[in-house]
Amino acid sequence: AQSVTQPDIHITVSEGASLELRCNYSYGATPYLFWYVQSPGQGLQLLLKYFSGDTLVQGIKGFEAEFKRSQSSFNLRKPSVHWSDAAEYFCAVGSGGGADGLTFGKGTHLIIQP
Amino acid sequence: SAVISQKPSRDICQRGTSLTIQCQVDSQVTMMFWYRQQPGQSLTLIATANQGSEATYESGFVIDKFPISRPNLTFSTLTVSNMSPEDSSIYLCSVYKKLARNEQFFGPGTRLTVL
Repeated sequence: AQSVTQPDIHITVSEGASLELRCNYSYGATPYLFWYVQSPGQGLQLLLKYFSGDTLVQGIKGFEAEFKRSQSSFNLRKPSVHWSDAAEYFCAVGSGGGADGLTFGKGTHLIIQP
Repeated sequence: SAVISQKPSRDICQRGTSLTIQCQVDSQVTMMFWYRQQPGQSLTLIATANQGSEATYESGFVIDKFPISRPNLTFSTLTVSNMSPEDSSIYLCSVYKKLARNEQFFGPGTRLTVL
């Protein structure tokens, strides 16, 4: 069975500092990997996705993520965070590129300090 | 992309009653899914809503508790039956479109509180 682990429940970062959110997955085949963001009272928005090709993927809002097969990881990064980045971030894995249901991690709550 | 609406956006219900949540998409989609997000928790897949046939449920979810309909390619409903306080959650609809380059789009969710 597939699974996703986000080891950090909460992360606090100062505005302007860099950010890395960790995600480890367990999946038997080549995974489709996603990062979603959920702002308070908002729905889920896709930040980026990986399913093949270049292991460094660029997303919206200045985010990027790197797929490392050897470490079963898909960590999310941003070089300089803004106060508006405060939100809940979910890593997800699926097969069929979204054509099947996704398995989500428990999420990382990002707090931005002024 | 896909524009997804859910009704109601929120509701407060009494124990033992049922609530039907609607999910409407602005265009035809290949797949529709229902997820549950319990307070402070992640999203858990309830079922895949199949057009014209019975939904496919994940382990731990049963049709009697969460009956699902999908009469066409743009609409689905999820009913939460015989509710208890443990059913208090956000219920989200998501869709997949073949031409959407491996992306699943989510609706805004329905926040359900059961007293």
